[in-house]
Amino acid sequence: SQELEQSPQSLIVQEGKNLTINCTSSKTLYGLYWYKQKYGEGLIFLMMLQKGGEEKSHEKITAKLDEKKQQSSLHITASQPSHAGIYLCGADKDSGGGADGLTFGKGTHLIIQP
Amino acid sequence: DTGVSQDPRHKITKRGQNVTFRCDPISEHNRLYWYRQTLGQGPEFLTYFQNEAQLEKSRLLSDRFSAERPKGSFSTLEIQRTEQGDSAMYLCASSLDYLYNEQFFGPGTRLTVL
Repeated sequence: SQELEQSPQSLIVQEGKNLTINCTSSKTLYGLYWYKQKYGEGLIFLMMLQKGGEEKSHEKITAKLDEKKQQSSLHITASQPSHAGIYLCGADKDSGGGADGLTFGKGTHLIIQP
Repeated sequence: DTGVSQDPRHKITKRGQNVTFRCDPISEHNRLYWYRQTLGQGPEFLTYFQNEAQLEKSRLLSDRFSAERPKGSFSTLEIQRTEQGDSAMYLCASSLDYLYNEQFFGPGTRLTVL
């Protein structure tokens, strides 16, 4: 089965600084999804990446997919308190295509210090 | 609100009791997923539906667990004879159809088994 490893496990960043979170897969990535979760709440969809080299941005968050390295990175520019939370990467559970569920990493806990 | 909703948000029960959770997906979404999340872990896939058909069940879903989606709209997840190890956040998600694994999550139901 596919495993996703996220690094770092936790991150404390001063407000206004940039940061990067990584997600590495044990198998070929067919679809990579980034979510954000506030403690004790559901997941908020951020971005989906499907093609090698694909890069997407939303506000101050940019995600990239490196298919060869089986890795994705999430970069936040000029961090704000609203960015605090748990960032989770997810990948298509099976390689057969189709929307049949996701496998998730354990998450990266992001704390923004004022 | 047209997002995924779950009810109840919190459930405290005694060991051995049965519990049932409900999930209402986004109205036009054909696929519905159940996940379980424990503290410090990412969500783990349990099962999913395409309309009313249950297409896959994880090995995590013991015979004490049953899920239904009788009319292809809302879904219920029942746990019989609850155990302390069942304590977790139960998350529901939906996606448009088999081509799209972009899943939108509900707020979750937090189950505590005493």
